[in-house]
Amino acid sequence: EVQLVESGGGLVQPGGSLRLSCAASGFSVTGNYMSWVRQAPGKGLEWVSIIHGGGTTYYADSVKGRFTISRHSSKNTLYLQMNSLRVEDTAVYYCARDLLYSDSSAYYHGDWGQGTLVTVSS
Amino acid sequence: DIQMTQSPSSLSASVGDRVTISCRASQRISSYLNWYQQKPGKAPKLLIYAASTLHSGVPSRFSGSGSGTDFTLTISTLRPEDFATYYCQQTYTTPLTFGGGTKVEIK
Repeated sequence: EVQLVESGGGLVQPGGSLRLSCAASGFSVTGNYMSWVRQAPGKGLEWVSIIHGGGTTYYADSVKGRFTISRHSSKNTLYLQMNSLRVEDTAVYYCARDLLYSDSSAYYHGDWGQGTLVTVSS
Repeated sequence: DIQMTQSPSSLSASVGDRVTISCRASQRISSYLNWYQQKPGKAPKLLIYAASTLHSGVPSRFSGSGSGTDFTLTISTLRPEDFATYYCQQTYTTPLTFGGGTKVEIK
């Protein structure tokens, strides 16, 4: 059974840093595309970052240069290092396992964790 | 960036109704369009990918259609458990983008 469990959220001051973790079971994080998606309180979904199976990474413009996605194979864990945090980064952060379309042309967020809340406030 | 526009942003419907939600992309995205359902306090769940392919375990009352820039999610017969917020998302190119969501409420 696929399971994703996020942790690491909490209250941090503007300009601070936080590292989110997403512990995976039932599959290998290094063999899959993995994403982070966030949702500000009362707002819609916002894609944050993706890491491809080969290690290529992409970011939303709003976090580029501040956030870094990575993974650890032996811990089977996905990470999101968040630096220079801003008030507008306050959100529930979800990790997701991305699955490819049958022709491998694109993908979708097939499995999601329960989310972890990050609050950036002074 | 590709902008995804959903309409309506909310709707009221009764159990048994047929519901249609629209999603428009700001440029052509072929069929690289996914639909998710989210209930309050819960993570989103995938309903449909590649515009019209039903995800495993999703009831057949859900269907998707469209290609290019215009897409539709249809719930053929609304059930009580379908009251939720629905999001479209394009995965044609990064940055991946979601629509603003459509909240389906009980009339």
